[in-house]
Amino acid sequence: AQSVTQLGSHVSVSEGALVLLRCNYSSSVPPYLFWYVQYPNQGLQLLLKYTSAATLVKGINDFEAEFKKSETSFHLTKPSAHMSDAAEYFCAVDGGSQGNLIFGKGTKLSVKP
Amino acid sequence: DTGVSQDPRHKITKRGQNVTFRCDPISEHNRLYWYRQTLGQGPEFLTYFQNEAQLEKSRLLSDRFSAERPKGSFSTLEIQRTEQGDSAMYLCASSLEGFRGYTFGSGTRLTVV
Repeated sequence: AQSVTQLGSHVSVSEGALVLLRCNYSSSVPPYLFWYVQYPNQGLQLLLKYTSAATLVKGINDFEAEFKKSETSFHLTKPSAHMSDAAEYFCAVDGGSQGNLIFGKGTKLSVKP
Repeated sequence: DTGVSQDPRHKITKRGQNVTFRCDPISEHNRLYWYRQTLGQGPEFLTYFQNEAQLEKSRLLSDRFSAERPKGSFSTLEIQRTEQGDSAMYLCASSLEGFRGYTFGSGTRLTVV
């Protein structure tokens, strides 16, 4: 069965610093993987997705993620954090043919000035 | 196209009351999904529709929960005899068949007092 583990429920970085949010997955089939961002009291916005094409995936707002099959990882990075990046980030794996997503527990990103 | 709309945004209800939420998907999307998100957790899949057919229900969807999508357009989620444990954000998402990714609505936050 598919599952996702996000390492670190809270990550704090300084403005301008590198952002690294970790995600490891478990899947019995080649996975589709997603990163979503959620601002307080809002729905989820898709940042980027891996669909078995290029292993380095670029998303919105300069975020990118690299699919590493050998490490079963799909970590999210951004070279330089902005205050507006403060939010909760969710990694998700496609649950299978029905199209439902299985989410991790989320990582809350704080950005210090 | 205004995206996925959910109504109401917030609902406070007394324990034991019935509540109903509405989701209007993107018009050309034939798949519609309901998720529940409790505090500090990622969204959890509840159920999904393809057109008007409800094709899958999670074990999380107890007998007190019912969802409909009568004409394959908007959907409603009803919770009967609400309990405090039902307090959560209820998220709706829509997608095209076979498309590995959703558009989420902003959610309905339910508080049961």
